[in-house]
Amino acid sequence: RKEVEQDPGPFNVPEGATVAFNCTYSNSASQSFFWYRQDCRKEPKLLMSVYSSGNEDGRFTAQLNRASQYISLLIRDSKLSDSATYLCVVNWNAGGTSYGKLTFGQGTILTVHP
Amino acid sequence: GAGVSQSPRYKVAKRGQDVALRCDPISGHVSLFWYQQALGQGPEFLTYFQNEAQLDKSGLPSDRFFAERPEGSVSTLKIQRTQQEDSAVYLCASSLAGRVIRGYTFGSGTRLTVV
Repeated sequence: RKEVEQDPGPFNVPEGATVAFNCTYSNSASQSFFWYRQDCRKEPKLLMSVYSSGNEDGRFTAQLNRASQYISLLIRDSKLSDSATYLCVVNWNAGGTSYGKLTFGQGTILTVHP
Repeated sequence: GAGVSQSPRYKVAKRGQDVALRCDPISGHVSLFWYQQALGQGPEFLTYFQNEAQLDKSGLPSDRFFAERPEGSVSTLKIQRTQQEDSAVYLCASSLAGRVIRGYTFGSGTRLTVV
């Protein structure tokens, strides 16, 4: 079983739609959570961190459920420019290490069409 | 520089050839990571440096893979006797401190194709 699992999609939605992505992680000791965005043939870029209380950044809302080991990303009012792969990312300090080794999900492909 | 710089951007190697991939992290960044991203997959951890010390190389897939960061800045990932399964994008990332607070910054990657 993968440590971070995502539905690879693809999700095809019209402009203006609301779309949600889910992600589960296996390590209950996970400490930090992120969503990264990756455009085709580009490097991953941090979209937002995910906090236990849930957090919002404009049209994007991230939620974390530690009990269920589940993370979500909601995109409202989708734009054409939101088309990308969304990577669920988890960090835990394995073996007492003090650095952050990020573990990525496979990514969910989103295509927003006119 | 302003960001993480990787070179070359693209590399085509014949099977069995040795390759060297370079990463120039953001100036002053202590932590440096190498990741491998196969087509259609998320990046997978290869190795981690804190300054010049390689603290974790648990993700290196075989002893053909070797990484170094001798002066605590530029890092090189070397792959000996390349195989077709080594074809992937190799991403380098750096961060100011060891702990991940705001994620970290990736370079544009080196796309390696082994033919």
